Amino acid sequence: NAGVTQTPKFQVLKTGQSMTLQCAQDMNHEYMSWYRQDPGMGLRLIHYSVGAGITDQGEVPNGYNVSRSTTEDFPLRLLSAAPSQTSVYFCASSPPGPGLAGGRTGELFFGEGSRLTVL
Amino acid sequence: TQLLEQSPQFLSIQEGENLTVYCNSSSVFSSLQWYRQEPGEGPVLLVTVVTGGEVKKLKRLTFQFGDARKDSSLHITAAQPGDTGLYLCAGVRAGNNRKLIWGLGTSLAVNP
Repeated sequence: NAGVTQTPKFQVLKTGQSMTLQCAQDMNHEYMSWYRQDPGMGLRLIHYSVGAGITDQGEVPNGYNVSRSTTEDFPLRLLSAAPSQTSVYFCASSPPGPGLAGGRTGELFFGEGSRLTVL
Repeated sequence: TQLLEQSPQFLSIQEGENLTVYCNSSSVFSSLQWYRQEPGEGPVLLVTVVTGGEVKKLKRLTFQFGDARKDSSLHITAAQPGDTGLYLCAGVRAGNNRKLIWGLGTSLAVNP
């Protein structure tokens, strides 16, 4: 039961470097999303996808890119890392259905997180 | 201003005590979920409530959705150290199902 798998779990970058956080799910979920979690700020949505070939911005998309070429994979790219992007990043998916997040209830399955530090 | 206000923000209790945490809003929600997040892990869904007045039980955890669907509570009976974690509520507002709203969470520590 792999569920949602994120890699790497930890990463240290220098300002200006780029990198990709990987996310894969094996539950055939149509909806996938990326969140960042910061103390005092809670979970904030970066980007999301309602299916292969479709992506959209969340509430904090600047500095990040996503693509969805397959149902299983949803990588998050940091174009030019900044210290403000130091955070814990979570990928989450949701089963198919109408409306938000694969259904009106919006239930999400999360990965274990990727802790990113930008120096 | 948070659309979903969780209280208390922090709670430290002894093993065996009972506790209640709250998730309140001035908006009506069509559904509301509770998640638990342990240190170093992602949030894990505990329950979803969709009907006003609904009560759901998960072993020692009791979840209630307010009659007006604006608030929810989580009651833990005889807390155990394994209940330690961050409890998050999240919901879909009625008539606006394109966005999942999150609370900031209640951090619970249960001491042996």
